[in-house]
Order: sequence, then C-alpha cells, then structure tokens
Amino acid sequence: DTGVSQDPRHKITKRGQNVTFRCDPISEHNRLYWYRQTLGQGPEFLTYFQNEAQLEKSRLLSDRFSAERPKGSFSTLEIQRTEQGDSAMYLCASSSQVLGNTIYFGEGSWLTVV
Amino acid sequence: GEDVEQSLFLSVREGDSSVINCTYTDSSSTYLYWYKQEPGAGLQLLTYIFSNMDMKQDQRLTVLLNKKDKHLSLRIADTQTGDSAIYFCAESKARSQGNLIFGKGTKLSVKP
Repeated sequence: DTGVSQDPRHKITKRGQNVTFRCDPISEHNRLYWYRQTLGQGPEFLTYFQNEAQLEKSRLLSDRFSAERPKGSFSTLEIQRTEQGDSAMYLCASSSQVLGNTIYFGEGSWLTVV
Repeated sequence: GEDVEQSLFLSVREGDSSVINCTYTDSSSTYLYWYKQEPGAGLQLLTYIFSNMDMKQDQRLTVLLNKKDKHLSLRIADTQTGDSAIYFCAESKARSQGNLIFGKGTKLSVKP
C-alpha cells in the first residue's frame, strides 16, 4: 500500500517534553501538509511543503512547533515543551501538483499531553 | 464567522438516501472536497468537485455545487450502516493551495 503513512499512531507524553511525528507521503507526491484536529472540530491547517520548501505556515504554528522536509520526501513535525492544549490528532496529507492536487490524508497521530 | 458551515447531525434509515449540505464563503475556491472520518481514524477522500462544475457522480455519491449560493451537497444513495461516520466538507482557496478550510463535520447515523 502506498498511502500516506504516519508514525507513531499514538503518543502520550508529560507536559514539558518534546515530541516528534513522522510522515511519509505517497511516493510520487511533491506536496505535503500538516493539519491538527481536536475533538468535535474539523482539521485545521498548520503548514505546507512543496518539495523541500515550506511555502505556508498557519498562525496556529507557534514557535514551539517546527516542521521539516529536508529531502522533499518524508517530513517531521516537532513540538517542543508540550502543553496540555497541544493534545490533538496531527494529520499529514499529500498531493501531486502534476496529478491534479487531490489531497490524501494519513491515519493521523494522536497526541495526549498529561 | 465560519468559512465552511455544515449541520452537525443527520439520521437516516438504511436504504434511504442521505443528503449532507455545506455552505462556504469564498467565491474564489477552486476545489471543494468531501471527506469521511470514522471514529479514531484519519480522513478518507470520498470525492471532490472543481469549481467550474455543477455536478459530479461517482457510484452511490452525487455532489451538487451551486456557486451562486456557495452551496455544496453530498447525496449518498442507498445508505448503508457502514456509511455511518462524520462527513467533512472542505474548500481549497485559490490564493492558498495548501490550506483546506474544513467545516466541523456532519455526523451521519444510519439506523437499520
């Protein structure tokens, strides 16, 4: 299966710790997106890469959040000094600029900050 | 206000048609999407429509787009219990290709 893959699927961490999530997009997709979803809400955009360039960042992406896509393939989302308000599902998605930009999501990474 | 609005709940009987409605505010939106989310899972792309289309049909799914009223609907024919999930409408803004704006989702319950 060549869908969007996210790891880990679940993470419980203590407040103040750092966490990192990884996303592997669909192999031919050059665009990669991170979204956050809290209970009862729709996903909210965090950031977007085209190849290795980070083209857009939401105001939701505070300075404790950093996303990278060093080689234009997989991406990491790091949250430093986690807070309870960071508890959410972090969704990665990818699309191909050439193939029509249909956006496909992964299964998400659940973060619980205790 | 919200960019994308949906009613929160819909309940139908198995075999009936379901119609989930969505309104959006940005007339420059290029693509409009419907995603399905089951409990604890990610988003599954169901279908999408380009803004210059009025209708798109894909098996049991029919999407209608009224650009004048900025209204989008998803009709599911012969609804099954496996269709029970949350359905999200999302718009892709022309000026921001990476940023999909989602509604809060409509929870569809299918009763046997």
